Amino acid sequence: TQLLEQSPQFLSIQEGENLTVYCNSSSVFSSLQWYRQEPGEGPVLLVTVVTGGEVKKLKRLTFQFGDARKDSSLHITAAQPGDTGLYLCAGASNDYKLSFGAGTTVTVRA
Amino acid sequence: DVKVTQSSRYLVKRTGEKVFLECVQDMDHENMFWYRQDPGLGLRLIYFSYDVKMKEKGDIPEGYSVSREKKERFSLILESASTNQTSMYLCASCKGGSASYEQYFGPGTRLTVT
Repeated sequence: TQLLEQSPQFLSIQEGENLTVYCNSSSVFSSLQWYRQEPGEGPVLLVTVVTGGEVKKLKRLTFQFGDARKDSSLHITAAQPGDTGLYLCAGASNDYKLSFGAGTTVTVRA
Repeated sequence: DVKVTQSSRYLVKRTGEKVFLECVQDMDHENMFWYRQDPGLGLRLIYFSYDVKMKEKGDIPEGYSVSREKKERFSLILESASTNQTSMYLCASCKGGSASYEQYFGPGTRLTVT
């Protein structure tokens, strides 16, 4: 059972469109991370959010941590083919272990 | 930059063989992790280590063991490989005492057991 539920599981959009990926849990996390993974490679950390209500921007990517620190969202504006990949959210509790969502596969068509 | 390397990108082994997967990190991180990744299941923690010679079971340790003799190296051992251990294996490390617990991953080893 995944502690973190990601939705949607798959997302296919045209270049230039916007998209949002959601990460939800009934558990409270001390921090939440987003990773992107390309085929045949390991996940690469994109961002860490720590404070409830926090919003972080990374170029065209906007990350939000819910006020209660149980959920998060990733919004991509004007998606490009280079944004294609598997997006994973991961929540940290009081030890060093992370709980991962199953991931959202994003495909951006040129 | 943090660098985590894994000994093999692709590996094919036969059922019953003993398999060693090695991971090395160069950033002096205290914590190291082994995950397996399967479609639709995300990353599942097999074992982790927070110090040399220390190890703790993760969520799915059955059929696996680990060794951490040096701080930079964390090995995953499949004592007797089985076909249900065919998977992508990912190693990660993170700094101890970090409030954010950011993990850095290796490129993965895709293991096929026939």
